[in-house]
Amino acid sequence: DSQMTQSPSSLSASVGDRVTITCRASQSIRNYLNWYQQKPGKAPNLLIYAVSSLQSGVPSRFSGSGSGTDFTLTINSLQPEDFATYYCQQSSSMPWTFGQGTKVEIK
Amino acid sequence: EVQLVESGGGLVQPGGSLRLSCAVSGFTFNKFNMNWVRQAPGKGLEWISYISSSATTAHYADSVKGRFTISRDNAKNSLYLQMNSLRDEDTAVYYCANSGDYRLDHWGQGTLVTVSS
Repeated sequence: DSQMTQSPSSLSASVGDRVTITCRASQSIRNYLNWYQQKPGKAPNLLIYAVSSLQSGVPSRFSGSGSGTDFTLTINSLQPEDFATYYCQQSSSMPWTFGQGTKVEIK
Repeated sequence: EVQLVESGGGLVQPGGSLRLSCAVSGFTFNKFNMNWVRQAPGKGLEWISYISSSATTAHYADSVKGRFTISRDNAKNSLYLQMNSLRDEDTAVYYCANSGDYRLDHWGQGTLVTVSS
């Protein structure tokens, strides 16, 4: 199974900051890497798929990069509505697996 | 508008069974693969099962293999999860989600399953 490790587990940031979250796979997952945002009490929402493709309706301040085993989610100019938990997920092979999540909190 | 609505959650004793349903609308159900993902209270997301659009292929996480069965009825635009031999650690919110090209595109609002005596 491909294990996904996110870092950090949590971070504090201010509105307007640039935030970077990393995700590492235990083996190559090619470009089968997705990112989701989840707000408290809500279902997750797909942000980015296939490493760097923005889901329809997602603001352009979100971007993704990486390849093979190392991936990054970047949020440029953090907005109040971006405070949430972010998960990476690999779909290269079954079982699909998620990272443990990164909680982005207000500083 | 794409909608996925889960139902069937509730309180069940350890060792018991429960069947979850997911009713979908707003997309061509029989063209999409479907999944169940769960989230234990205060914890992260765990993918647990997948079924292909034609129901010919199913996959399970090791944590539920042999106890849970995923199925679908394309005529009724519905997805199901039969959960048997439930354990305390199965307590979670269960989400259904469709998947097109290797991503979980749309999610339901979730249904809470509590396993407790």
